[in-house]
Amino acid sequence: SQKIEQNSEALNIQEGKTATLTCNYTNYSPAYLQWYRQDPGRGPVFLLLIRENEKEKRKERLKVTFDTTLKQSLFHITASQPADSATYLCALESNTGKLIFGQGTTLQVKP
Amino acid sequence: ETGVTQSPTHLIKTRGQQVTLRCSSQSGHNTVSWYQQALGQGPQFIFQYYREEENGRGNFPPRFSGLQFPNYSSELNVNALELDDSALYLCAVYPASGDQETQYFGPGTRLLVL
Repeated sequence: SQKIEQNSEALNIQEGKTATLTCNYTNYSPAYLQWYRQDPGRGPVFLLLIRENEKEKRKERLKVTFDTTLKQSLFHITASQPADSATYLCALESNTGKLIFGQGTTLQVKP
Repeated sequence: ETGVTQSPTHLIKTRGQQVTLRCSSQSGHNTVSWYQQALGQGPQFIFQYYREEENGRGNFPPRFSGLQFPNYSSELNVNALELDDSALYLCAVYPASGDQETQYFGPGTRLLVL
């Protein structure tokens, strides 16, 4: 079955550094992959979408890469700030056209 | 602000009871999806409605059912509640036009089953 895996351990980094989060998937070739941010007790908020024919996408301090050979997406936050502390979810389109989410990685940026 | 609201924000029920959760969005949101998110996990797809008809279902039993209304509001009903149903329930809509790949989530309803 289709499976998405994200770093289960929380990521702790110092303010100003680059945070890199990983999303690996198996048993599927999605047309696109999405990244969401989720704060405690809140719904996920869409950040970026990257398509299978795109290697990299940027939005302000965010960068996403998509390697369909490795079946992996990397999510980078440059010049990280304490306000970036949250859980980040990756999601891909399943073969039924519905989104499948990873379990999320919690990022803690320390001042 | 996503324009998606959910009610109630929190709910406590006991095992065996039934619950109805609600989702409202701005006009034109023809597609609504419902997700269950257990603590420490990602959202799991329950089902999707398009123009008041079920349009895809995840791996959830029939005691999870839904409705979508002409005014773009939606309900999730869960019968015979079990302890494992305790979770954050999220609804999400696609914009009325343009990008049909991005969903906008509501704030969720936190359900606790005792």
